[in-house]
Amino acid sequence: ILNVEQSPQSLHVQEGDSTNFTCSFPSSNFYALHWYRWETAKSPEALFVMTLNGDEKKKGQISATLNTKEGYSYLYIKGSQPEDSATYLCAFGDTGTASKLTFGTGTRLQVTL
Amino acid sequence: NAGVTQTPKFQVLKTGQSMTLQCAQDMNHEYMSWYRQDPGMGLRLIHYSVGAGITDQGEVPNGYNVSRSTTEDFPLRLLSAAPSQTSVYFCASSYDRERYEQYFGPGTRLTVT
Repeated sequence: ILNVEQSPQSLHVQEGDSTNFTCSFPSSNFYALHWYRWETAKSPEALFVMTLNGDEKKKGQISATLNTKEGYSYLYIKGSQPEDSATYLCAFGDTGTASKLTFGTGTRLQVTL
Repeated sequence: NAGVTQTPKFQVLKTGQSMTLQCAQDMNHEYMSWYRQDPGMGLRLIHYSVGAGITDQGEVPNGYNVSRSTTEDFPLRLLSAAPSQTSVYFCASSYDRERYEQYFGPGTRLTVT
């Protein structure tokens, strides 16, 4: 079983704050790293899929970076809004476990006014 | 496109009963998977399929069966329900392996008493 860790477990920020989370994964046999946003009572929705070391992706005020050599990815939210409140999941795919993604337990973000 | 659909949304079973959770997608995705979500744990892969007629086990396959007779459908069967199978079940599909984002269904909340 692969170890995918996310930190912090939860985060409470005020509207307008910028924040970031970390996803750590095994640095060997890297294939892909996914980020998903999961709102309460809904299903996870994909934010980014990253496959190359040094990848940077951006969607609106949310961006992500990838370091496969050291086994981590950062997700940044600039100027958080209450609608950004959700759990953010990362998932790791490696070359040795074809077609299987291992998910972290998520970072729960709450943005208040 | 309806995307990924799951039925039922809620189900209560008694220990020992069997049932099938339905999953269908209309995006012509080859890859489909079943996950379970339990408090404090990430999404855990139960079974997956890389195409019609091809299935394989994930991280927690015991007590579950799957089949993939068509590209569109990927039902999950609980053979003899146990309280430990109380969980929220998500079906997901994607174009191909881990390098493509997964689309999740709305989930099925199952309680086994």
